[in-house]
Amino acid sequence: SQQGEEDPQALSIQEGENATMNCSYKTSINNLQWYRQNSGRGLVHLILIRSNEREKHSGRLRVTLDTSKKSSSLLITASRAADTASYFCATDGRTGGGADGLTFGKGTHLIIQP
Amino acid sequence: DTEVTQTPKHLVMGMTNKKSLKCEQHMGHRAMYWYKQKAKKPPELMFVYSYEKLSINESVPSRFSPECPNSSLLNLHLHALQPEDSALYLCASSHILGRSNSYEQYFGPGTRLTVT
Repeated sequence: SQQGEEDPQALSIQEGENATMNCSYKTSINNLQWYRQNSGRGLVHLILIRSNEREKHSGRLRVTLDTSKKSSSLLITASRAADTASYFCATDGRTGGGADGLTFGKGTHLIIQP
Repeated sequence: DTEVTQTPKHLVMGMTNKKSLKCEQHMGHRAMYWYKQKAKKPPELMFVYSYEKLSINESVPSRFSPECPNSSLLNLHLHALQPEDSALYLCASSHILGRSNSYEQYFGPGTRLTVT
């Protein structure tokens, strides 16, 4: 079953602008992760935020987590053409165990116009 | 080596065929995963192996049979598939940290399967 819902489903911006994607989820989680996928290839891990964290940065990425609203946002600053991809949030918490499959949101397809 | 490899890259099979997908990692990860991804949809979890034992089966039909022969290898055996099983099959691996914790998962490039 789908846990996360990304918003927007598609986003087109000019190179250099910032891109913000949102994710909502339904059940309690241990961690929330963001992944990038380039046109039907494997997923690449971007950032992980734990349920007791509110904000995390990694390079041009900024992730926030609001567990009271069951939502997260991913901000990509100073976008580049190479950022064109689909972005998925993913949550765990199925079992509480250490090897827990991820439940992915529907994804945001980001297009960076040169 | 931070790579997960999957073979084959593409596979076309008939509904009566038996085939296998293979996945390999040498990062010392003790958790391995199979996901299925249909076009323009997110990946969906199929199976989780923890310390070479099947720990999660997301009610996957028995025509998909996973196998973890050792800590580096993960197979997915396919038999009597249906056209609707056509999808990108992704393998992933991760460390196991402990209860209520998880590491990032490393994904392979996937096998694009077409069932005719």
